[in-house]
Amino acid sequence: GESVGLHLPTLSVQEGDNSIINCAYSNSASDYFIWYKQESGKGPQFIIDIRSNMDKRQGQRVTVLLNKTVKHLSLQIAATQPGDSAVYFCADPPGSARQLTFGSGTQLTVLP
Amino acid sequence: GAVVSQHPSWVICKSGTSVKIECRSLDFQATTMFWYRQFPKQSLMLMATSNEGSKATYEQGVEKDKFLINHASLTLSTLTVTSAHPEDSSFYICSARPMVLGELFFGEGSRLTVL
Repeated sequence: GESVGLHLPTLSVQEGDNSIINCAYSNSASDYFIWYKQESGKGPQFIIDIRSNMDKRQGQRVTVLLNKTVKHLSLQIAATQPGDSAVYFCADPPGSARQLTFGSGTQLTVLP
Repeated sequence: GAVVSQHPSWVICKSGTSVKIECRSLDFQATTMFWYRQFPKQSLMLMATSNEGSKATYEQGVEKDKFLINHASLTLSTLTVTSAHPEDSSFYICSARPMVLGELFFGEGSRLTVL
């Protein structure tokens, strides 16, 4: 049956280092992905998106890589800052961040 | 960008009472809105999909009589936690998607504490 309340995996990085957060998906037909950032006590915020006709997309300090062969996404944050500390998760509209389709999110902690 | 607003942002109620949480899309219309629950240190859990003008679709294990969802217009969905108990205390978040665009926009969440 379904798992309820999966606890978040964690990632700790030193300030200034690069962070890599991973996400796996199961639906081969998925063609659009979004990475969200959720700070404590707040709703998720859009970071970056990517369509399946691309394998890489860059934003400001963030890069998303898509590997359709193994159904894997990664979010790279360059020069991680304290303000980057948050939970990060990927979503596949219209899957609407359904927990069982994707990883449960990753808690990123930036160490001084 | 598109904005989704939730109200109230926090609420404290006594056990046995009902609480209504509103989710509004402020600058776009949404035929579909989503409701999530999030416990501390845990991921968002999709509870139900709210469909304008029709019944909501609930995820497995979510009691539809406990969590009443009404999507009466293209900009408003409400979640009513009926006969709330302390175990219903959680962070409830909604999201919505403009009919044309694929991006999901999330509300700021509503923290419910049941005493």
